[in-house]
Amino acid sequence: DVKVTQSSRYLVKRTGEKVFLECVQDMDHENMFWYRQDPGLGLRLIYFSYDVKMKEKGDIPEGYSVSREKKERFSLILESASTNQTSMYLCASGEEKIKSLHFGNGTRLTVT
Amino acid sequence: SQKIEQNSEALNIQEGKTATLTCNYTNYSPAYLQWYRQDPGRGPVFLLLIRENEKEKRKERLKVTFDTTLKQSLFHITASQPADSATYLCALDKELTGGGNKLTFGTGTQLKVEL
Repeated sequence: DVKVTQSSRYLVKRTGEKVFLECVQDMDHENMFWYRQDPGLGLRLIYFSYDVKMKEKGDIPEGYSVSREKKERFSLILESASTNQTSMYLCASGEEKIKSLHFGNGTRLTVT
Repeated sequence: SQKIEQNSEALNIQEGKTATLTCNYTNYSPAYLQWYRQDPGRGPVFLLLIRENEKEKRKERLKVTFDTTLKQSLFHITASQPADSATYLCALDKELTGGGNKLTFGTGTQLKVEL
């Protein structure tokens, strides 16, 4: 079974802190994605990557950056956390030819 | 702009009945449409994918239809069970120039199956 592991289930950070969310997948998938999920807004794509060192902006990239130095790892970075970035963050991976995504169980980030 | 609509009100049905969830979209011409299940505190889990040239897809008690003229997909769970209670998300697919796909999700419909 494909496993997508997110490093933290819960995280509490202060406004202005730099925050790193880590995601690792074990199936050699080319594509990796970061979404955030908020009540009433659903999942919104922040950034994605279809190859090592490649990244593409999603629908809401402002305030975020990403890093993909190795194929299995995709990191989401909040350069200066703000309270409106309090959310559930979900990482996903998928093969190039196969269209379905495999999600991690999410990191619930609270910025105070 | 592109929009995906799912009924935001929870659907409550009795065990054994067929649950039908709806996904409507506008300003899209997706090659694929997918359905996911999400349990509280967990990430979504892929259930079914249907292509634009397919009318219907089945998997065990699940059935998905895809009407590209109506811009609508229906998701059916037959002989529903309390364990089917979850939020169900539809997602539309967009091919990426670099390969792979990008998914845009609806907000989901919560299904509650009662005894």
